[in-house]
Amino acid sequence: SQTIHQWPATLVQPVGSPLSLECTVEGTSNPNLYWYRQAAGRGLQLLFYSVGIGQISSEVPQNLSASRPQDRQFILSSKKLLLSDSGFYLCAWTRQGFLSTEAFFGQGTRLTVV
Amino acid sequence: AQRVTQPEKLLSVFKGAPVELKCNYSYSGSPELFWYVQYSRQRLQLLLRHISRESIKGFTADLNKGETSFHLKKPFAQEEDSAMYYCALGGGGFGNEKLTFGTGTRLTIIP
Repeated sequence: SQTIHQWPATLVQPVGSPLSLECTVEGTSNPNLYWYRQAAGRGLQLLFYSVGIGQISSEVPQNLSASRPQDRQFILSSKKLLLSDSGFYLCAWTRQGFLSTEAFFGQGTRLTVV
Repeated sequence: AQRVTQPEKLLSVFKGAPVELKCNYSYSGSPELFWYVQYSRQRLQLLLRHISRESIKGFTADLNKGETSFHLKKPFAQEEDSAMYYCALGGGGFGNEKLTFGTGTRLTIIP
């Protein structure tokens, strides 16, 4: 069966520090991968998605970047965190090339920038 | 542009009353529509998808391409339906893998 792991679960970082959130998927190959930020009143905001290694589509220009160094690994990064980067970050995956494919979500990371 | 609008951030309904959560979308191609639900302290999960035309936990949703809507309905609300509901729009794969969510509606069922 397929599983998705996301870590850490919670993170408190000072302003100006770097960020690295990791997401890995097991039990499938060549998944589509997604990073979302969930905020009250703003719902699920799509940040980045990837259809393959090294292929990243950015949806919201901001202080974050994403990378996909391996087929089932998706990393969200920042060189210098801002207070506005605080939020709940979700990783998700879907099967490629299928219509009406279901998205599977990780447990999320609660990031607090202080 | 691919966009999903959920006009109600909060919705309170009495137990046994009908429920309707609204969702409108904007998409130039052939859309794939979904409803996702997040119960307290659980992961976001799929509730239903338009292509299946199924009823899950008593919920149904019909895609209306003329009105670009995909409203979620249930005739009789139950307390366990209290949750956060998100409408989502996919591009159908095969070159458009973008999956866009609305802002969500928090549904509260009043006993």
